[in-house]
Amino acid sequence: DADVTQTPRNRITKTGKRIMLECSQTKGHDRMYWYRQDPGLGLRLIYYSFDVKDINKGEISDGYSVSRQAQAKFSLSLESAIPNQTALYFCATSDAGGERNTEAFFGQGTRLTVV
Amino acid sequence: LAKTTQPISMDSYEGQEVNITCSHNNIATNDYITWYQQFPSQGPRFIIQGYKTKVTNEVASLFIPADRKSSTLSLPRVSLSDTAVYYCLVGDPFTGGGNKLTFGTGTQLKVEL
Repeated sequence: DADVTQTPRNRITKTGKRIMLECSQTKGHDRMYWYRQDPGLGLRLIYYSFDVKDINKGEISDGYSVSRQAQAKFSLSLESAIPNQTALYFCATSDAGGERNTEAFFGQGTRLTVV
Repeated sequence: LAKTTQPISMDSYEGQEVNITCSHNNIATNDYITWYQQFPSQGPRFIIQGYKTKVTNEVASLFIPADRKSSTLSLPRVSLSDTAVYYCLVGDPFTGGGNKLTFGTGTQLKVEL
């Protein structure tokens, strides 16, 4: 089984709908991240969480919200989806503290299309 | 966070050594340099990390000059399967705010026969 699991893998939704993307991890890491990727733009950080009680905005948080339900679960919500939120979304985890905590582990991605 | 600059793309042929340079002029004393590789429709994968001089693992080498204002990822004898986007990240792994894992646009490496 994958260490970082994203569900769903693909989703088509209509403009204005609320949608939640889920991420769970079995690595026991404290830190979790949500990114979106658009062609030619690399990965952009949406939100990140360094522990269950910590939530931080990233570069492009407008239109998104997150919930850290447990150490292993970090979900991303689009309250009212719009077409320009069509993208590939990645969840990632990393360990806290120490020399190697810049090593992040990524999920397989969720391809979201808003029509 | 230190800003990084990489070439947008590079081309190479199988069997050649590829060097991708990343510029990070305002790197801070506690920052480490980390490189990731990403294949299409997959999440990035950690390749190598270093602080100074040279680091080598089974996949790549990382060269960091004394002033640490740049770094070079070296891929020996590339193959078609090394075609991917390569990202350079700079951050302090010991502080939360400095370790937001901010990716740029990366370098698209294309390897041909």
